Amino acid sequence: EADIYQTPRYLVIGTGKKITLECSQTMGHDKMYWYQQDPGMELHLIHYSYGVNSTEKGDLSSESTVSRIRTEHFPLTLESARPSHTSQYLCASSLKGSSYEQYFGPGTRLTVT
Amino acid sequence: LAKTTQPISMDSYEGQEVNITCSHNNIATNDYITWYQQFPSQGPRFIIQGYKTKVTNEVASLFIPADRKSSTLSLPRVSLSDTAVYYCLVGAPRDNYGQNFVFGPGTRLSVLP
Repeated sequence: EADIYQTPRYLVIGTGKKITLECSQTMGHDKMYWYQQDPGMELHLIHYSYGVNSTEKGDLSSESTVSRIRTEHFPLTLESARPSHTSQYLCASSLKGSSYEQYFGPGTRLTVT
Repeated sequence: LAKTTQPISMDSYEGQEVNITCSHNNIATNDYITWYQQFPSQGPRFIIQGYKTKVTNEVASLFIPADRKSSTLSLPRVSLSDTAVYYCLVGAPRDNYGQNFVFGPGTRLSVLP
């Protein structure tokens, strides 16, 4: 099993709150990713990182931000949550030369009321 | 970026072999074909990857014809627990200069008793 963890698994929060979704992996993978997925819909890449101090925006525009200060840690932050941010957020990682073999965490289901 | 086309949904019965075909007419020389499986409320899971001919592992087989313009994921003797969405992706695993990892809508497989 892949060792990639996300916390919290579920989060219900009010509009305007700042939130940070945590993602950690213990596989030493260089590349990490954040995807957003609404129920029954496609996954959309919102952020990715090639390594420490590297962050890039993905295909889907997102108001969230990410940081990569440590190899194993790739948190996602929403400064001011809105109901439109309600979704499932999935974190993944891969080896540098194997972008297509990604290991996914269990996801965080976020509900903004 | 090689675009892929796969059926939106498929139904099968327990014990049958299921074949899901993916079309990728503009696949590039360096591109590999990768399949993922996603259960409800979970992150996708890597199933199999191949470049040409046939690849087999404990979960599935992947058949790729000589022209590589399509591929077929074969699941032997499916069970109810194989009900999931299956994604076909095409791209170069060693792409470190851009993120072209697009999941698309996938194929929703329903296995019936």
